[in-house]
Amino acid sequence: DGGITQSPKYLFRKEGQNVTLSCEQNLNHDAMYWYRQDPGQGLRLIYYSQIVNDFQKGDIAEGYSVSREKKESFPLTVTSAQKNPTAFYLCASSINGLTYNEQFFGPGTRLTVL
Amino acid sequence: AQTVTQSQPEMSVQEAETVTLSCTYDTSENNYYLFWYKQPPSRQMILVIRQEAYKQQNATENRFSVNFQKAAKSFSLKISDSQLGDTAMYFCAFTAYGGATNKLIFGTGTLLAVQP
Repeated sequence: DGGITQSPKYLFRKEGQNVTLSCEQNLNHDAMYWYRQDPGQGLRLIYYSQIVNDFQKGDIAEGYSVSREKKESFPLTVTSAQKNPTAFYLCASSINGLTYNEQFFGPGTRLTVL
Repeated sequence: AQTVTQSQPEMSVQEAETVTLSCTYDTSENNYYLFWYKQPPSRQMILVIRQEAYKQQNATENRFSVNFQKAAKSFSLKISDSQLGDTAMYFCAFTAYGGATNKLIFGTGTLLAVQP
């Protein structure tokens, strides 16, 4: 079945540690996205990538980093510079990043900083 | 900058009744898309319905329909014959047409509870 997988579902991290969230898609989509969801704030765009080896900052990129070495993978690293990393993280993909193409979402990763 | 506002944090409806969720947006763009996404307790985001701004006809998908008022920048979602499975958080979202990215702007969501 085609889709987007995110792992792990729950992630715990000690303050000051970097952590990487996985996002994989087998939909052959060019574009991929990372969103952060906090209670009462909806979803906010962290980073997006329209093509392999290229990515751009979204609205809240500070304290995060990404890579796009393969079409099907778009991992997100939450660094120790992120002041409030506890949140729900959603990955999405679309056929391409031009104008409108439906974004399909993964099941998400809940990150908790202890 | 574009913004999306959902003024109803929570709503409740009886099973089989009809409920309307409100959304307003602000943009200087003339061409754009509007969406309603559903996020059930599983937290999987699901696209419910979309509306192209250049279309005057309101979009419908089975029990879900929208009331799109472009001049008022209003985009409400009507759910008819509500079912228990409709219990979820509903997000209104916007994207500009023809922009450099397929960027979605989300509202803060409305938590809908369908009561038996």
